[in-house]
Amino acid sequence: EVLLVESGGDLVQPGGSLRLSCAAYGFSVRTSYMTWVRQAPGKGLEWVSVIYPDFTTYYAESVKGRFTISTDTSKNSLSLQMSSLRDEDTAVYYCARDHQWLDNHYQYGMDVWGQGTAVTVSS
Amino acid sequence: EVVLTQSPGTLSLSPGERATLSCRASQTLSASYLAWYQQKPGQAPRLLIYGASRRATGIPDRFSGSGSGPEFTLTISRLEPEDFAVYYCQNYDGSPPWTFGQGTKVEIK
Repeated sequence: EVLLVESGGDLVQPGGSLRLSCAAYGFSVRTSYMTWVRQAPGKGLEWVSVIYPDFTTYYAESVKGRFTISTDTSKNSLSLQMSSLRDEDTAVYYCARDHQWLDNHYQYGMDVWGQGTAVTVSS
Repeated sequence: EVVLTQSPGTLSLSPGERATLSCRASQTLSASYLAWYQQKPGQAPRLLIYGASRRATGIPDRFSGSGSGPEFTLTISRLEPEDFAVYYCQNYDGSPPWTFGQGTKVEIK
């Protein structure tokens, strides 16, 4: 079974740091595009970051310079290191497997999602 | 950065009715780069459509996508009780960030 399980969400003070993890089962993160998406309370989805199989990374402007995405192939997991946290970073954070090469074309979409982990930034 | 605008914000319909959701991009997009998701309360999103019109694995054929250029549409031919949810479109054109629309809520009338 293909599965993603996030962990690490917590209550943290403004300016603090937190590391989110996402364990993958049934597929390899090393050969996948992996993405973080977040959702603030009562709001829509916000794309946060992606890491390519060649380790190229991209970030939303709102988190650039504060968040770092990475993969750990020994643990087959994805991580998001968050620092200088702000109130507006409060959200449920989802990891997802992003576009794949299937049937001779890229399937541009996130087909496997974790259950989400909640991050609350508050004093 | 591509901005996706979804309309309407809320769609009030009855089971069995047809739902038509719109997603307009701020610039021309290749159809290959447009995806649709469904999200129910307390759940992670689920991929419905990729490449504007291709159903993801396991998605019922009452869901269909269409469109090109800046205008895309998600159609649910006959609403089932489990289809009442929020729907998002997402753009993959060019380099990231790969933006989402603000969502359309399909609610029971």
